[in-house]
Amino acid sequence: DAGVIQSPRHEVTEMGQEVTLRCKPISGHNSLFWYRQTMMRGLELLIYFNNNVPIDDSGMPEDRFSAKMPNASFSTLKIQPSEPRDSAVYFCASSSGPYVYSNQPQHFGDGTRLSIL
Amino acid sequence: KNEVEQSPQNLTAQEGEFITINCSYSVGISALHWLQQHPGGGIVSLFMLSSGKKKHGRLIATINIQEKHSSLHITASHPRDSAVYICAVTLNTGNQFYFGTGTSLTVIP
Repeated sequence: DAGVIQSPRHEVTEMGQEVTLRCKPISGHNSLFWYRQTMMRGLELLIYFNNNVPIDDSGMPEDRFSAKMPNASFSTLKIQPSEPRDSAVYFCASSSGPYVYSNQPQHFGDGTRLSIL
Repeated sequence: KNEVEQSPQNLTAQEGEFITINCSYSVGISALHWLQQHPGGGIVSLFMLSSGKKKHGRLIATINIQEKHSSLHITASHPRDSAVYICAVTLNTGNQFYFGTGTSLTVIP
């Protein structure tokens, strides 16, 4: 059974470029989470969706960040324009259950390691 | 001020030792999570609990809601347990998710 699939695994790009990270949640899961992990700040929740609807995006750092979930099997996190301080590992996770943060564990993807030069 | 505090930050143990990692929080929560992140970077959800105790293999997680404290125990530790263990809490408002800074565990053969 496939887990959460993220792509690309690694991304290196120059500042100012648009970056798009992709996530395919586990089939049947109706909650999806985007996280960012840095050495300085650890893990941070950026945004989460329930039934494809963004529920809370208060963790999104700036307007340069946007996330979409056009259907139950796909989500994107976009950074435009990218800056060196956006360099981090970005994780996507999904879980099942009727409510966000219901009593179900989250399943994490392997992450995208993003480096902005 | 961190809503979630973990201790110790770093821990080195001999294979076979009993290990305890602690997590304290200062906010009202609906659930507490223990995550494991291996050196390769992948994150695995170990436990989610809101009361009492859960056990999975050699791992045991406990929570005391009144004291706002949770512990993760590893019995008969093994080098493959070497990882960063992260505590996270879901606020009882359901709209925030706070992480501890992690405990880096190294188990020496």
